[in-house]
Amino acid sequence: GNSVTQMEGPVTLSEEAFLTINCTYTATGYPSLFWYVQYPGEGLQLLLKATKADDKGSNKGFEATYRKETTSFHLEKGSVQVSDSAVYFCALSEGGFQKLVFGTGTRLLVSP
Amino acid sequence: DAGITQSPRHKVTETGTPVTLRCHQTENHRYMYWYRQDPGHGLRLIHYSYGVKDTDKGEVSDGYSVSRSKTEDFLLTLESATSSQTSVYFCAISESAGGNTEAFFGQGTRLTVV
Repeated sequence: GNSVTQMEGPVTLSEEAFLTINCTYTATGYPSLFWYVQYPGEGLQLLLKATKADDKGSNKGFEATYRKETTSFHLEKGSVQVSDSAVYFCALSEGGFQKLVFGTGTRLLVSP
Repeated sequence: DAGITQSPRHKVTETGTPVTLRCHQTENHRYMYWYRQDPGHGLRLIHYSYGVKDTDKGEVSDGYSVSRSKTEDFLLTLESATSSQTSVYFCAISESAGGNTEAFFGQGTRLTVV
């Protein structure tokens, strides 16, 4: 079956540091890939997405590139802020009622 | 923000009692979903709906049932709550079934079964 693997957290960084959160996937077909973010006490929000190989999703300074050859969709940001502290989920969908398969989530803690 | 309201937001219940969680949307989206979030598992799909009275099982549906009598409401019922159903429950909606369609999530319901 389909699955998503994320790096274990928490990831602890100082403000303005470079962020990478690794995500790899297993899928039988050609999924769409997503990063969702969950701020404390809230539901998940879509951060960015990519729907085919070599697509780059970007939003709020975050980027991720759909790499079919390595089955990866790593999240990056050049300079993190304290307000980026949250839990980040990588997910995939092969369509059919938007049934998302999530990774376990990676908590990011950014200190001033 | 997408108009999704989950109720209650917090609930403590005893083992063996029935519990119903409600998801209400004002977006008129056709598709609705119930997920549970547990440490070490991320979010897992419980049930989903693709229209009024049209529902199907997800990955972890045992012990749960759902109903959708109106477009805007999707109910999740635990017929006889168990401690393993202690979790945070999220409702989600989407406009279409396409794989690249954004899903919008509610704020979650924290359920504790004692």
